[in-house]
Amino acid sequence: GDSVTQMEGPVTLSEEAFLTINCTYTATGYPSLFWYVQYPGEGLQLLLKATKADDKGSNKGFEATYRKETTSFHLEKGSVQVSDSAVYFCALYTRGATNKLIFGTGTLLAVQP
Amino acid sequence: GAVVSQHPSWVICKSGTSVKIECRSLDFQATTMFWYRQFPKQSLMLMATSNEGSKATYEQGVEKDKFLINHASLTLSTLTVTSAHPEDSSFYICSARGGGMNTEAFFGQGTRLTVV
Repeated sequence: GDSVTQMEGPVTLSEEAFLTINCTYTATGYPSLFWYVQYPGEGLQLLLKATKADDKGSNKGFEATYRKETTSFHLEKGSVQVSDSAVYFCALYTRGATNKLIFGTGTLLAVQP
Repeated sequence: GAVVSQHPSWVICKSGTSVKIECRSLDFQATTMFWYRQFPKQSLMLMATSNEGSKATYEQGVEKDKFLINHASLTLSTLTVTSAHPEDSSFYICSARGGGMNTEAFFGQGTRLTVV
């Protein structure tokens, strides 16, 4: 069935470092892809999304490009801040009968000053 | 974005008792609500999907008699864990969506359940 695989954490970076969190997916159809973020003590929030191949989602300095050829949707940010410390979840949305979000395991990012 | 409030944030209960978790959409009408369960270092696993006024649709392997879901109004869904056991200890998260299939889903902050 459909699935999402993302890199295990925790990822520990210094402030202003470059961030990459890898995410690959398996899907039978043409899913939409998402990154969600969960800050400490808060609920999940949509960070960015892409609905078709070659689309680039971006928000708050984060970017991810929907790569159909490599079935990937890696999250990147050029310069992380302490306030970016959170758990990041990659997810795919299967259209049609299932109509549900499938999540990766989450990656904890810790940014140190 | 829209706000989904989940209550309580954490709960400890004794084995054999029942626990109810509430999920409210505060500023929109949630036609569909989802309940997820998250084990440590694992994905969010969808337990069930409920539409307002209808019976919930449970995912394979989820006991519907153990995890009772009620979605009686457009702003409230409840998950009741009946006859709780220590293996039910987990992090439960609800999500709510208004409108059609392509509208965004908003998440509650989650409930940490510990059964002792």
